[in-house]
Amino acid sequence: GDSVTQMEGPVTLSEEAFLTINCTYTATGYPSLFWYVQYPGEGLQLLLKATKADDKGSNKGFEATYRKETTSFHLEKGSVQVSDSAVYFCALSDLGRSNQFYFGTGTSLTVIP
Amino acid sequence: NAGVTQTPKFQVLKTGQSMTLQCAQDMNHNSMYWYRQDPGMGLRLIYYSASEGTTDKGEVPNGYNVSRLNKREFSLRLESAAPSQTSVYFCASSGGQISGANVLTFGAGSRLTVL
Repeated sequence: GDSVTQMEGPVTLSEEAFLTINCTYTATGYPSLFWYVQYPGEGLQLLLKATKADDKGSNKGFEATYRKETTSFHLEKGSVQVSDSAVYFCALSDLGRSNQFYFGTGTSLTVIP
Repeated sequence: NAGVTQTPKFQVLKTGQSMTLQCAQDMNHNSMYWYRQDPGMGLRLIYYSASEGTTDKGEVPNGYNVSRLNKREFSLRLESAAPSQTSVYFCASSGGQISGANVLTFGAGSRLTVL
């Protein structure tokens, strides 16, 4: 079945460091891919998305490119800030096959000044 | 503000007690979901409702029941709470197309502790 695997955390970075959080997926169809962010004590919020191969999603300085050849959707940011400290979830949905969304286990990021 | 509203935000139960988590959305979304979030486990789907009048089991449905009361409301019931059901519960909805993708919108969560 469909699934998402993302890198284990926690990740700790200094402010202005480069961030990569790896995400790979398994799907038999043509899924849409998402990154969600969860700030402490809050629900998940959509960070960015991509709907087809080679699409790049971007928001708030974060980027991820839908790579069908490597089944990946890695999250990157060139210069992280303390305010980026949160848990990041990779997810996919394939509405052509089901109404379900599949999430990775989440990666906790802490950015220190 | 438009979105997904969950109640209560916090609840403490004793083993064997029952309770219902309420969820309502005002975005006219067709599909609604209940997830639980546990440390190291990510989000696991309990039940979902693809449209009004339908419900389906997710990954971890045992010990739960749901009701899709109408298009806006989707409740989750614990008939006899167990300590293993201590978790943070999230309701979500989808049905809005943002640039071709069907996106999930989450509520703020309900933290349940079962003693």
